Amino acid sequence: NAGVTQTPKFQVLKTGQSMTLQCAQDMNHEYMSWYRQDPGMGLRLIHYSVGAGITDQGEVPNGYNVSRSTTEDFPLRLLSAAPSQTSVYFCASRKGGRETQYFGPGTRLLVL
Amino acid sequence: GENVEQHPSTLSVQEGDSAVIKCTYSDSASNYFPWYKQELGKRPQLIIDIRSNVGEKKDQRIAVTLNKTAKHFSLHITETQPEDSAVYFCAAKAGTDKLIFGTGTRLQVFP
Repeated sequence: NAGVTQTPKFQVLKTGQSMTLQCAQDMNHEYMSWYRQDPGMGLRLIHYSVGAGITDQGEVPNGYNVSRSTTEDFPLRLLSAAPSQTSVYFCASRKGGRETQYFGPGTRLLVL
Repeated sequence: GENVEQHPSTLSVQEGDSAVIKCTYSDSASNYFPWYKQELGKRPQLIIDIRSNVGEKKDQRIAVTLNKTAKHFSLHITETQPEDSAVYFCAAKAGTDKLIFGTGTRLQVFP
């Protein structure tokens, strides 16, 4: 199993550009989440999904969209990037009925 | 919503000493409390967790205690080693999958 994978590893965007951060897991996990990590602020939940076709907002959802068309994939979309979205983004997943959450390797995003 | 406070933000200890990191949470309905270790440039890794129906859990040199009345939980690392140096995050789960994290503690263990 590859576990939780994320692409790209690093991305530079200009203000106003759009992009999609990819996240995939091959563990048949129902639950998937997106977090951003900023210095001194820990990890903050952006959006999460409890299964295909179901998504909900976390603590900091503004500026981000998600969809969950399959169990395996949970992409995060930035429609119009802003410098405030410069951060490290982590995707995570867990199996229903279990608490252990597995994180992907992260995507470092720089918005100029 | 849930809020998790974590202290201290930095902690320096001598190798072999103990380290304690404390967290408080606001939502009395929270029922799951994991601790994650994150090394520089790496992803967070779960090191120990506790559920609300348990007061203490131990795994070799690490232990977690939970005081539901006070809404406090703590991570205890005994006999610290240089490889314990990392950033540690506590978290509390509120709702279906809302894991709310503390702001992290940078632990440095000096040989």
